[in-house]
Amino acid sequence: EDQVTQSPEALRLQEGESSSLNCSYTVSGLRGLFWYRQDPGKGPEFLFTLYSAGEEKEKERLKATLTKKESFLHITAPKPEDSATYLCAVQESGGYQKVTFGIGTKLQVIP
Amino acid sequence: GAGVSQSPRYKVAKRGQDVALRCDPISGHVSLFWYQQALGQGPEFLTYFQNEAQLDKSGLPSDRFFAERPEGSVSTLKIQRTQQEDSAVYLCASSLEKASYEQYFGPGTRLTVT
Repeated sequence: EDQVTQSPEALRLQEGESSSLNCSYTVSGLRGLFWYRQDPGKGPEFLFTLYSAGEEKEKERLKATLTKKESFLHITAPKPEDSATYLCAVQESGGYQKVTFGIGTKLQVIP
Repeated sequence: GAGVSQSPRYKVAKRGQDVALRCDPISGHVSLFWYQQALGQGPEFLTYFQNEAQLDKSGLPSDRFFAERPEGSVSTLKIQRTQQEDSAVYLCASSLEKASYEQYFGPGTRLTVT
């Protein structure tokens, strides 16, 4: 069974203090790893898809990287508006559509 | 453009009642997903549609849960004889193609069973 473990569960940063969120996964064959952002009372918002080890993607202050066992979401010089829960999810290869999510990391950026 | 919409946004049901939750995906999106999100947890997959065909319903927790998408657009998730453990946010997501790489989520329906 696919498993996704995210750490830390919660993270509090000062504005401008860079950090990384971790996503460890277990899947028989990886079709894709996804990062989403979720604000309170809203549905998740798509950020990135990573397909293979060594791949990196960037969007504004966010950079996602992937290895064979984990993914990192690096946040550079965060701003208060980056405060949200960041969800990691994986999809197994082999034609399956099921996406397995982690419980997320709740990020709070303090001005 | 319009995103994924869901209705109602909030639903309170007495235990034993049936409920129906609606999802309007983005126009033209082939794939549609339903998820259940408990408080403090990540979304859990319930079921997947490709157009009108329900190709995966492995995540439906019991036979009280039923989903349909008869014309390949709007979808309804029905829960019969609701139980307290059904209380959660039900999220709908759609994606343009068969591959679900980029899913667009609706705001969810918060179901509370009393």
